[in-house]
Amino acid sequence: DAGITQSPRHKVTETGTPVTLRCHQTENHRYMYWYRQDPGHGLRLIHYSYGVKDTDKGEVSDGYSVSRSKTEDFLLTLESATSSQTSVYFCAISEMRGGYTFGSGTRLTVV
Amino acid sequence: TQLLEQSPQFLSIQEGENLTVYCNSSSVFSSLQWYRQEPGEGPVLLVTVVTGGEVKKLKRLTFQFGDARKDSSLHITAAQPGDTGLYLCAGALGYGQNFVFGPGTRLSVLP
Repeated sequence: DAGITQSPRHKVTETGTPVTLRCHQTENHRYMYWYRQDPGHGLRLIHYSYGVKDTDKGEVSDGYSVSRSKTEDFLLTLESATSSQTSVYFCAISEMRGGYTFGSGTRLTVV
Repeated sequence: TQLLEQSPQFLSIQEGENLTVYCNSSSVFSSLQWYRQEPGEGPVLLVTVVTGGEVKKLKRLTFQFGDARKDSSLHITAAQPGDTGLYLCAGALGYGQNFVFGPGTRLSVLP
């Protein structure tokens, strides 16, 4: 296996609460990504990281923040969850210009 | 508006049939990847194509990158139920590391 795990796998939270999703890798890959997947939209990039403490915004970054204090961990935080953030969230890792290896996803429901 | 379009959106066929799915854009990509995703899991990389006109084969799957590097196709010969899944294409703009994903083709192969 590729050595990428996401936690939790499922979460139900209330509108207005903060939520943090975790991505952990054992591959020592430089690049890490957070995507969300919604019907009809495919995978959309939220944020990505190209090194420790080096992050940048993706296509749908509003309402999300990230942190990467160690090579192996990339955290995604929903600052104040809304129903529009109900989705399946995927973390991915890669080396320069390489293919992505995805985690198994986190299904988040905001009620 | 999706940068990458995939067609058809859904495809249901009988075991043993051949099929082709398409990935199209008005943008030029430096490379293009195909992934397969099964329910409840993250996408898994099948192939990367980088040269216009390139053809790659993976057992019964044949991938082609268009000459102008704006489109790609995936042909499956003698489809099997194990080929069932969501097929995603993803393109890299310029020489950046980030890939943009299409919405996918959902394939169902019936025994």
